[in-house]
Amino acid sequence: DQQVKQNSPSLSVQEGRISILNCDYTNSMFDYFLWYKKYPAEGPTFLISISSIKDKNEDGRFTVFLNKSAKHLSLHIVPSQPGDSAVYFCAASAGNQFYFGTGTSLTVIP
Amino acid sequence: DGGITQSPKYLFRKEGQNVTLSCEQNLNHDAMYWYRQDPGQGLRLIYYSQIVNDFQKGDIAEGYSVSREKKESFPLTVTSAQKNPTAFYLCASSRRVGSEAFFGQGTRLTVV
Repeated sequence: DQQVKQNSPSLSVQEGRISILNCDYTNSMFDYFLWYKKYPAEGPTFLISISSIKDKNEDGRFTVFLNKSAKHLSLHIVPSQPGDSAVYFCAASAGNQFYFGTGTSLTVIP
Repeated sequence: DGGITQSPKYLFRKEGQNVTLSCEQNLNHDAMYWYRQDPGQGLRLIYYSQIVNDFQKGDIAEGYSVSREKKESFPLTVTSAQKNPTAFYLCASSRRVGSEAFFGQGTRLTVV
């Protein structure tokens, strides 16, 4: 039973435009959410996180939004750059283990 | 340099053999994890450890075993009981369970 879902397996965006990656979760006990970026044959790299007491967290070009009532979070990348092309995983935790989504492969077209 | 080291990067084994994957961290993190990634799937938790000499099963622990005798080390043994062992294995650590985890570079295990 997938508790964290990323329904878009892939996304293509033009360089300079905004990339929006979405993630839905089912467990209302989740209180901490993270986004990771992953290149092929490498380990994921931590990108940005948000706790359930906030609805937005920003770090440079990356912003994560959390809508607790909808059990939905999104990652906005603006402006998108070719180096952002990778697989992005969202993850959620209720204080113990993390549950990961299946990932969204982002391609930024120059 | 602080980080997590997984070795080897690629590993080949014959069916029916046990194999142990190494994971070492020098971040002074209490918690360590093992995940498995298969094509088109997210990361699935095999085992995690909150502290030395303690570990808990994750969602897919069958056919795997771990030990945590030292804070820095969390080796994973893939036993012959694991039905589909060929996968990409990722080790991670965090300050405590539930805080952001930092991952190693992964080990790709191929069983032939």
